[in-house]
Parts: sequence; C-alpha cells; structure tokens
Amino acid sequence: EAQVTQNPRYLITVTGKKLTVTCSQNMNHEYMSWYRQDPGLGLRQIYYSMNVEVTDKGDVPEGYKVSRKEKRNFPLILESPSPNQTSLYFCASSLYRGSTDTQYFGPGTRLTVL
Amino acid sequence: ILNVEQSPQSLHVQEGDSTNFTCSFPSSNFYALHWYRWETAKSPEALFVMTLNGDEKKKGRISATLNTKEGYSYLYIKGSQPEDSATYLCASYNNNDMRFGAGTRLTVKP
Repeated sequence: EAQVTQNPRYLITVTGKKLTVTCSQNMNHEYMSWYRQDPGLGLRQIYYSMNVEVTDKGDVPEGYKVSRKEKRNFPLILESPSPNQTSLYFCASSLYRGSTDTQYFGPGTRLTVL
Repeated sequence: ILNVEQSPQSLHVQEGDSTNFTCSFPSSNFYALHWYRWETAKSPEALFVMTLNGDEKKKGRISATLNTKEGYSYLYIKGSQPEDSATYLCASYNNNDMRFGAGTRLTVKP
C-alpha cells in the first residue's frame, strides 16, 4: 500500500531534550516536506527536500533540522525543543514539486513540549 | 506573502443539507488550486487539483469550481452525510510557492 508513515504519532517531552520524528514514504517520490499545523493557521512548511541530499528552508525553519540521506526517509530533528514547538506535525511527499503534484500526507505527529 | 483564506472557519449542517464553502487566493502568478479533505486523527487526502479558469471537478457528492481571475474556489457538498464531517483544506500554488488556507471544519449532524 502506498503510504507515508510517521513515528511517533504522539510525543510529550521536556524543553531541551533532543528528539527526532521519522518520516518514510514507499512511493519513490522525489519531493518531501514537513509542515506544522497550529489552530487557526494553515499548514506552514518547515523544510522541504527536492531529492536526496537536497534540502531547503520553508517558512518556519527556526529550531528544526532535517536530512535526506535516502530517498524514502526525511527525519525532522528538534535539537533543543521549546514549548512554542508544541504543534501537530505532518510529513508529506509528492512525485515532484510541481504545481499540480498531489501531496500525500503522513498521519501526523502530535508533539507537546513542556 | 501569499494569503489563502478560507471561509467559514467552521460549519454545522444537518444530514441531507447541501453546503458550500470558499477558498480565496491571490490571482497573480497562479498555477494551481488544490483541495484536501482531512478527517480527525487521519492524514489529509487529496480531493481535487484545478488549474484553469472555469474548471469544475466532481467526485461523488462533492464538487469544486475555480475562478482564477477573481481568485476564488468553491467546494460544494450535496446532501451532506455524517461521514463528510472533516476539515477541508485548500492550497494555492502561485509563483513556485504553495500556501495552505486554515481550513473549513464541517460537522454534519445526523
């Protein structure tokens, strides 16, 4: 089954404790991205990757890191989480970064930083 | 900065009612408009992508129209059912940049 998986689905952590949210897709998509979703706001892009070893900042990259060592995986790293990073995070992938390319979303990771 | 606005923010309808909501987006440098359906605790799923002024797309009881000159898209649901309850997101692709609206949360009461 074609899908995007994320782990963990839920995470409660404390300020400053490094964490990684994994994302994997099995559709051989070139484009992958991370979004955060906060109440009353649209999905905001954190980072994206056009292909292996190619990553770029989105609109809200501060406090986050990513890597794309393999085509299928695109982990999101929070080196020193802070309470303002409490949010719902989505990973997404699409074949390319074209205007009509449909994005496939993971199930989301709800992160709480105390 | 691209502004994509959706209205209303939330909507409650009775089963069987037809309903519609709006996505407004910048008309300049427009390439495509996407609609996604997001059920609680699930992944957003693609409904439609539209590119041309006057485009209409339909999937079952859900349809969408596009006006690129004035920068809006309507999503229509005919004869709403409880399983239509979800947040409906639109995303506009302008000038190599995609932006999402905040969504319209639809609740259909049995």
